[in-house]
Formats: sequence, C-alpha cells, structure tokens
Amino acid sequence: KAGVTQTPRYLIKTRGQQVTLSCSPISGHRSVSWYQQTPGQGLQFLFEYFSETQRNKGNFPGRFSGRQFSNSRSEMNVSTLELGDSALYLCASSLGGAYNEQFFGPGTRLTVL
Amino acid sequence: SQQGEEDPQALSIQEGENATMNCSYKTSINNLQWYRQNSGRGLVHLILIRSNEREKHSGRLRVTLDTSKKSSSLLITASRAADTASYFCATDAIGAAGNKLTFGGGTRVLVKP
Repeated sequence: KAGVTQTPRYLIKTRGQQVTLSCSPISGHRSVSWYQQTPGQGLQFLFEYFSETQRNKGNFPGRFSGRQFSNSRSEMNVSTLELGDSALYLCASSLGGAYNEQFFGPGTRLTVL
Repeated sequence: SQQGEEDPQALSIQEGENATMNCSYKTSINNLQWYRQNSGRGLVHLILIRSNEREKHSGRLRVTLDTSKKSSSLLITASRAADTASYFCATDAIGAAGNKLTFGGGTRVLVKP
C-alpha cells in the first residue's frame, strides 16, 4: 500500500497570506489527523476528521481550519499567516478506532517570512 | 499543552549498548504509543501498548507500561547507528472522541559508531 502523502513538501509564504496543505491517507483509512510541530511547542494536535466530519479539535485559533473529502483526502488551511505559524505540519491517517496506530506522512515544512 | 514528559531529553550511547527512555503522562489513557522521527521528517510508528497491557516486545524494542504511575519506558537493545533519532511517546485519553494523540517532548538519541 502507498503511504500517506503530503503536498507540498516545502512552502514559503509571507505574513498575512493564506495557505492550503493537502494530505492523502492510506487507502482504506477514514481518519485523518493534523499536527503542528515546532521547536518550542513540540508536537501539537490540530484536528481530526473521520468520514468528512471533524471529530476532534485542538487548541488552535480559528485561522486554522480543515476539511475532508469523500475519498478521505484532507486539506488544512491557515489564513492570515503569522510568523509563529512556521512549522512542520504533519498529517496522519488511521483506520479510526481507539486502538489504531497512526501512520504519518513526511510533513509540509511551512516558512512564514 | 503536552500530556507527557520524556526523560532524558537527550541520550548519547555507543553502538551495541542499550538505550532506555521514559515517558510520564497525566490522564487516564486508552493506549500509549511510541514513535520515532528522523531529523525533521515524518513520524514512524514503533509500538502500541494498550492500557491493560504491562509489557510488549517488537524486535529489539521493549515497552513497559505502569498505569498506576502513569509512566512508560522504551528500551532499545543492541543499538545501531541507524537508531539515531528522536523518540516520542503519545497517548490518547479515555473519553476523548476519536483519535487525538498527545505527544511528549521527545528524547533525542545519538548512537555513536
């Protein structure tokens, strides 16, 4: 099976712009989660989608949003970018149950100038 | 905020030695997982231990879980240079809807050849 893919891998934006990141989960996986990783805050949960519904949300401002399509692919959007949004954004997919391991993609490295 | 604290934050050992790292968490959990991350890349799932399990093995990995102390340990035996990476524990809390992993701060492991 192909792994989790994320596009783009690298992105440079300026403050105030918006960005959309994409994640394609492993075939058959219905759960997609997003995480932000920074040197200062570590790995933090953004949100999780399951069958096109947001099932869980972390403590991030409303500028961070996401969605999931019927084929389980997911996108996350960050509007009005701030310097502090520079991070590695990781997407993970799983079957969706409570005891399922999550499979991570390689991440999108976002730099905000 | 991070659920867990990992100890030590960094570890340097010689090839062939064992590496042990610990993770403590705060709330009751469904399961605890360990992940490895190589230099800013995606996370690789290593092992999942359920809250009703006390020990689990996978190849050169041994994980223990003590729910009364809210702690876990990961032992890597006969380490290799390729084990150089950051290791993270992740938990999902009982009662939380869906998948929402909370990660510890990680242990950076350097295996010297």
